[in-house]
Amino acid sequence: GENVEQHPSTLSVQEGDSAVIKCTYSDSASNYFPWYKQELGKGPQLIIDIRSNVGEKKDQRIAVTLNKTAKHFSLHITETQPEDSAVYFCATDSWGKLQFGAGTQVVVTP
Amino acid sequence: DAGVTQSPTHLIKTRGQQVTLRCSPKSGHDTVSWYQQALGQGPQFIFQYYEEEERQRGNFPDRFSGHQFPNYSSELNVNALLLGDSALYLCASSLGTGGYGYTFGSGTRLTVV
Repeated sequence: GENVEQHPSTLSVQEGDSAVIKCTYSDSASNYFPWYKQELGKGPQLIIDIRSNVGEKKDQRIAVTLNKTAKHFSLHITETQPEDSAVYFCATDSWGKLQFGAGTQVVVTP
Repeated sequence: DAGVTQSPTHLIKTRGQQVTLRCSPKSGHDTVSWYQQALGQGPQFIFQYYEEEERQRGNFPDRFSGHQFPNYSSELNVNALLLGDSALYLCASSLGTGGYGYTFGSGTRLTVV
């Protein structure tokens, strides 16, 4: 079946520190792994994604790593800033249907 | 910026009533997917529309139905509302039926009392 587990559920970091969020999945057919940021009152916004033929991808302060053998992938945010505070969701795609994790509330304190 | 537009933004309905939510996709997109997001949880896939047909469906009862129009806009209908249907309903549009490049709207907050 399809299941995406996401940890931690909440994450508090000091401004400038790094934040790491981890997800595991069960569907071997998953081949696309996006990460979304959701701010209060808004819909999820895609911040970075990775496909199954790539192990790591970086975009400025954000990076994602994927281990298909172990079925887990992670989001890394470096040099966190107050505007990084939001709920982050990992997701997997199986034939156009996104399966989301439960989300991580990230709080960046000045 | 012609992003995804959803209406209404908020809605309060009584148990047993019916509701229709609307979505206009991002310019250039032809596929619309609907998600239900309960408070404190991740979005759950309801169904996807492409070429005016339902292409995929998640684990939602038949009380949830939809429609896609020739201009790619879409409606989500929920009949016989239950208290548990209270949630944020998100519309996501994309080009094609793959999960790539989804753009989400800000959602419709439905409260069933």
